[in-house]
Amino acid sequence: KQEVTQIPAALSVPEGENLVLNCSFTDSAIYNLQWFRQDPGKGLTSLLLIQSSQREQTSGRLNASLDKSSGRSTLYIAASQPGDSATYLCAVRGTDSWGKLQFGAGTQVVVTP
Amino acid sequence: GAGVSQSPRYKVAKRGQDVALRCDPISGHVSLFWYQQALGQGPEFLTYFQNEAQLDKSGLPSDRFFAERPEGSVSTLKIQRTQQEDSAVYLCASSLEDRGLEAFFGQGTRLTVV
Repeated sequence: KQEVTQIPAALSVPEGENLVLNCSFTDSAIYNLQWFRQDPGKGLTSLLLIQSSQREQTSGRLNASLDKSSGRSTLYIAASQPGDSATYLCAVRGTDSWGKLQFGAGTQVVVTP
Repeated sequence: GAGVSQSPRYKVAKRGQDVALRCDPISGHVSLFWYQQALGQGPEFLTYFQNEAQLDKSGLPSDRFFAERPEGSVSTLKIQRTQQEDSAVYLCASSLEDRGLEAFFGQGTRLTVV
């Protein structure tokens, strides 16, 4: 059974510092991995989608890497801003269960001015 | 509409009451998913549709939970005889194809059972 873990559970950094968020998964048979952002009381906003054949994806200040063989993905956010404060979730889609995204519990990020 | 729309945004139900939660996916999206999110946790899969076909309902916690998508567009998640443990945020997502394109989520419906 796929298990997705995100460490740390919470993170506080001063504005301008780079953020590094980690996601690990136990079953490397994945189709893709997706990073989301969730603001309090809101739904999920898709940030980046990495297919299993890709090593990384970039969008603006965000960069996500994927090492499928070791079951790890890392989300980097450069030059953090207070507006980056949110919970960040990673989710994997397994090759044997197309319809199901398996989520981690998230990393709660606070960026202080 | 531009995104996935869910209604109502908030629902308070008395224990034992039936509730119906609605999801309008992004126009043209074939796949539709329902998730349940407890406070402080990541979303948990409930069920998945491809067009009108319910292909996976393995995450539905009991036979009190029922989902449908009769015309392959709008979907309804129904919970019968609600219990306090059903209190959660129910999230709906849609994607353009079954296999692997981005899932786009709605704002969710927060259900509180009192």
